[in-house]
Amino acid sequence: EVQLVESGGGLVQPGGSLRLSCAASGITFRDHYMDWVRQAPGKGLEWVGRIRNKANHYTTEYAASVKGRFTISRDDSKNSLYLQMNSLESEDTAVYYCCDIGVGYWGQGTLVAVSS
Amino acid sequence: QSVLTQPPSASGTPGQRVTFSCSGSSSNIGSNYVYWHQQLPGTAPKLLIYRSNERPSGVPDRFSGSKSGTSASLAISGLRSEDEADYYCTVWDDSLSGWVFGGGTKLTAL
Repeated sequence: EVQLVESGGGLVQPGGSLRLSCAASGITFRDHYMDWVRQAPGKGLEWVGRIRNKANHYTTEYAASVKGRFTISRDDSKNSLYLQMNSLESEDTAVYYCCDIGVGYWGQGTLVAVSS
Repeated sequence: QSVLTQPPSASGTPGQRVTFSCSGSSSNIGSNYVYWHQQLPGTAPKLLIYRSNERPSGVPDRFSGSKSGTSASLAISGLRSEDEADYYCTVWDDSLSGWVFGGGTKLTAL
């Protein structure tokens, strides 16, 4: 059974930082491109960024709204995906999903709330 | 405003056939596969259609997808009350080098 389990969400003040993790099981994690997608309360889905696999040099892409503030990384030895979020703004408040969009693997999401 | 355009709402009666549209451009739908996701209230999205018209195992054949030019559509035949959900189209955009989502269509079963 495929499982993606996010962790690390919580309440953070504007300007603060947070690191999300995603633990994968039931898949050959190292082969997959992985994405982060977020959903603000009552809003639609928004792609945050992607990291490719080792064969594609772990290259990353980011949405314009987070570029320069967010960093995606992975540790294939731990079957884990990460999202480092810096300079957080209230507009970053959302449920963050770890996923492989093209294959349809999604975690349950973790809530990040940015507020003073 | 989303790169992909979806109507915000749709409705149908049980047993009816409903369709959802998704309009894009040459840099996304016009050159890449379209994916459709269903999101039930309070849950993570679930993949319904991949590569524009393929169904993952376990997805009923009541769901079908198609693509023509820079537009795509999702059809649900034999509508059921449990189909009430939000439906999102998504596609890789070559110009933006990223996935783009439609704003989502909320389906109501009357």
